[in-house]
Amino acid sequence: QVQLVQSGAEVKKPGASVKVSCKASGYTFITYPIHWVRQAPGQRLEWMGWINAGNGNTKYSQKFQGRVTITRDTSSSTAYMELSSLRSEDTAVYYCARDPGISLWFDPWGQGTLVTVSS
Amino acid sequence: EIVLTQSPATLSLSPGERATLSCGASQSVSSSYLAWYQQKPGLAPRLLIYDASTRAPGIPDRFSGSGSGTDFTLTISRLEPEDFAVYYCQQYGSSYSFGQGTKLEIK
Repeated sequence: QVQLVQSGAEVKKPGASVKVSCKASGYTFITYPIHWVRQAPGQRLEWMGWINAGNGNTKYSQKFQGRVTITRDTSSSTAYMELSSLRSEDTAVYYCARDPGISLWFDPWGQGTLVTVSS
Repeated sequence: EIVLTQSPATLSLSPGERATLSCGASQSVSSSYLAWYQQKPGLAPRLLIYDASTRAPGIPDRFSGSGSGTDFTLTISRLEPEDFAVYYCQQYGSSYSFGQGTKLEIK
């Protein structure tokens, strides 16, 4: 079955960067885009950006432009999200999710990766 | 950016009752590009409905979605114990945005 498995929890200091991975299985990786969404404590889900797994093209939310980089490795069917210049407000659970087409709904989602930013 | 507002924030009902959750958009959602997700504690969101009214594969028919333009509704016809969770709406017609969620709790 289609599955997205993310890397484990991270603890980072303010100003550092974090890179979260999302390994896909059960389908042809390059066929579908992958999105990244985060959920800070008590906050709504927030879209960060997406990557076309086929050609590597990306699009980012204006809020994260300049701080987020989404990449992929087709040989391992893995997408990555790197967020730099971390601050305490970036403490959140980060999810990857597959898009069944281009700019559609998200299904399925990875299990989530908790990133804690603390000095 | 399209802002989605869900109501009520919390809904307290008993198993077997009917639940009606609302999602309002600050501007019209093109082509009814609206989805609903269910999220249980510690788990990722799960797709229930897409294109406003199409049930995702494997979703029981007690879940239904309706609406267009700026007003959308998720209805759960007869609540089962496993349905108590947080529900989010999402629009994908103009970039992406989510509502703040409705918590469906057992009365």
